[in-house]
Amino acid sequence: GAGVSQSPSNKVTEKGKDVELRCDPISGHTALYWYRQRLGQGLEFLIYFQGNSAPDKSGLPSDRFSAERTGESVSTLTIQRTQQEDSAVYLCASSLQGARSYNEQFFGPGTRLTVL
Amino acid sequence: KNQVEQSPQSLIILEGKNCTLQCNYTVSPFSNLRWYKQDTGRGPVSLTIMTFSENTKSNGRYTATLDADTKQSSLHITASQLSDSASYICVVSAPGAGSYQLTFGKGTKLSVIP
Repeated sequence: GAGVSQSPSNKVTEKGKDVELRCDPISGHTALYWYRQRLGQGLEFLIYFQGNSAPDKSGLPSDRFSAERTGESVSTLTIQRTQQEDSAVYLCASSLQGARSYNEQFFGPGTRLTVL
Repeated sequence: KNQVEQSPQSLIILEGKNCTLQCNYTVSPFSNLRWYKQDTGRGPVSLTIMTFSENTKSNGRYTATLDADTKQSSLHITASQLSDSASYICVVSAPGAGSYQLTFGKGTKLSVIP
């Protein structure tokens, strides 16, 4: 597809369960980002992948959060033992080259996660 | 801590009217400032991006201004349309190796009514 896609669009889970969110970036984009958007809050940076470099995981809120990326394509964000405070929209973005801040980030539609 | 503050939090205007959204930031040093539009249930879409040396940038009916001295930006929407109803997010980045880490404002929710 032409844009960033994410799946699922909505996920409802029970507290304590693990969830896996998927992101398909724009083809050719070497940089990929995950963000969290809580209700009424600004986007929070979670993790950044750039090519084959070690990812920047500095934004991950706890060790329950992890992410992987296969080469320069699909990425998955995993949240283990979900808590109610994990409820948020998780957005993925990609760009041509992440190190240059003016490179536009293209966002996916997000996955709305609800933890009951 | 780098911050981006937006005002107003929400705004309702009549179709066809103009409006101006405000953004104040404390990010320093500063590299560039972007305005994004986020429709409900969608990801943000870039409207404008300005470096510290630019004062204004337009994209159709959207015009962004930047005063790097006072660390303020505004987004002016002309002749509003119903489709302008969305959240408008101000985003600032610092220069350097960590410049991909953007600082996002909470957004202004704009509702355009007939």
